[in-house]
Amino acid sequence: QVQLVQSGAEVKKPVGASVTLSCKTSGYVFTNYRIAWVRQARGQGLEWMGWISPDDRTTKYVGSLQDRVSMTTDTSARTAYMELRSLTSDDTARYYCAREWGLYYFDSWGQGSLVTVSS
Amino acid sequence: QSVLTQPASVSGSPGQSITISCTGTGSDVGAYNSVSWYQQHPGKAPELMIYDVTNRPSSVSGRFSGSKSGNTASLAISGLQADDEAEYYCSSSTNINTVVFGGGTKLTVL
Repeated sequence: QVQLVQSGAEVKKPVGASVTLSCKTSGYVFTNYRIAWVRQARGQGLEWMGWISPDDRTTKYVGSLQDRVSMTTDTSARTAYMELRSLTSDDTARYYCAREWGLYYFDSWGQGSLVTVSS
Repeated sequence: QSVLTQPASVSGSPGQSITISCTGTGSDVGAYNSVSWYQQHPGKAPELMIYDVTNRPSSVSGRFSGSKSGNTASLAISGLQADDEAEYYCSSSTNINTVVFGGGTKLTVL
């Protein structure tokens, strides 16, 4: 079955810090489907951050994060990564990776990685 | 502030039917048939319930259905069950090839 397993919780101090999260996939052809990243602050709604296409590594990011986010993949490891730089407390959230099954919808999700940014 | 507007909460009794609306603009919901709906129980990842406005994954109950008129999409749930109590989010593609979500609707089964 399709599985997305994400890396563990991270605690970062603000002022220039960055975080890199991983999303290891199994159960399907990795290069056939885009991987999206979606975050959710505690008690808040979902925010689409962007996607990466593993076959050609093309990316698309939401405008508000364009300058701070990078998404990459390691095809041999069937793993996607998301780096977020210049962290502030506003970046405290649970970050999900999700498989984009068709276009613009997500059928399989990771369990989420909690990122806490606090001094 | 979410781009797509959903009611903050809806409620219904077991066995009843409810509808959740999702209002966007001519640059997202109104422009494309790429509206999806997700169910999220507390502490869990979202689950896809409806995609491409009206389509349902095979694992999702036929009690869930989707529709769209103009800039507003809707999710209908019939025969409400206790386990339907959750947060529901709509999403849509946009004219700049991104995805936007609604703010979420808390469904309470009375």
